[in-house]
Amino acid sequence: DGGITQSPKYLFRKEGQNVTLSCEQNLNHDAMYWYRQDPGQGLRLIYYSQIVNDFQKGDIAEGYSVSREKKESFPLTVTSAQKNPTAFYLCASIGERLGDTQYFGPGTRLTVL
Amino acid sequence: AQTVTQSQPEMSVQEAETVTLSCTYDTSESDYYLFWYKQPPSRQMILVIRQEAYKQQNATENRFSVNFQKAAKSFSLKISDSQLGDAAMYFCAYRSDRDDKIIFGKGTRLHILP
Repeated sequence: DGGITQSPKYLFRKEGQNVTLSCEQNLNHDAMYWYRQDPGQGLRLIYYSQIVNDFQKGDIAEGYSVSREKKESFPLTVTSAQKNPTAFYLCASIGERLGDTQYFGPGTRLTVL
Repeated sequence: AQTVTQSQPEMSVQEAETVTLSCTYDTSESDYYLFWYKQPPSRQMILVIRQEAYKQQNATENRFSVNFQKAAKSFSLKISDSQLGDAAMYFCAYRSDRDDKIIFGKGTRLHILP
């Protein structure tokens, strides 16, 4: 079945450590996204990538970094510079046709202790 | 820049009744797409319904329908015959036809009262 996988579902890290969240898709989608979700804030865009080896900052990119070396993969690194990293992180992708629906992974809950 | 506003943080409806969730957006573009997503307690985002701005006819998916008012920049979601499984967070979203960026509202939490 085609879809988006995110792992792990729950992640715990100590303050000051970098952590990388995985996102893989087998939908052959060009565009991929990372969102952060906090209570009462909806989904806020961190980074998105429209093609391999290219990505753009979203609204809250500070303290995060991404790479897009393969079409299928779009990992997100939460660095120690992110002041409040505890949140729910959603990865998504979208097809190339205009108006295509965005597909979402199951999300990763990151807790920084 | 485009914005999406959901003015109702929470709503409640009696089971089997009808409820309408509001969404307004701001854009200077004429061609775009609008979506409603549902996020149940599992937190998996699920597409409920989509609307192309160039279509005048309101989209419908079973018990879910929209009232799309392009001039007013309004895109409300109506849920008929509400069921317990409809309890979730609902997000309105906007996508321009010029790029791949998608703008989400802050969401409306819907409670279904048995």
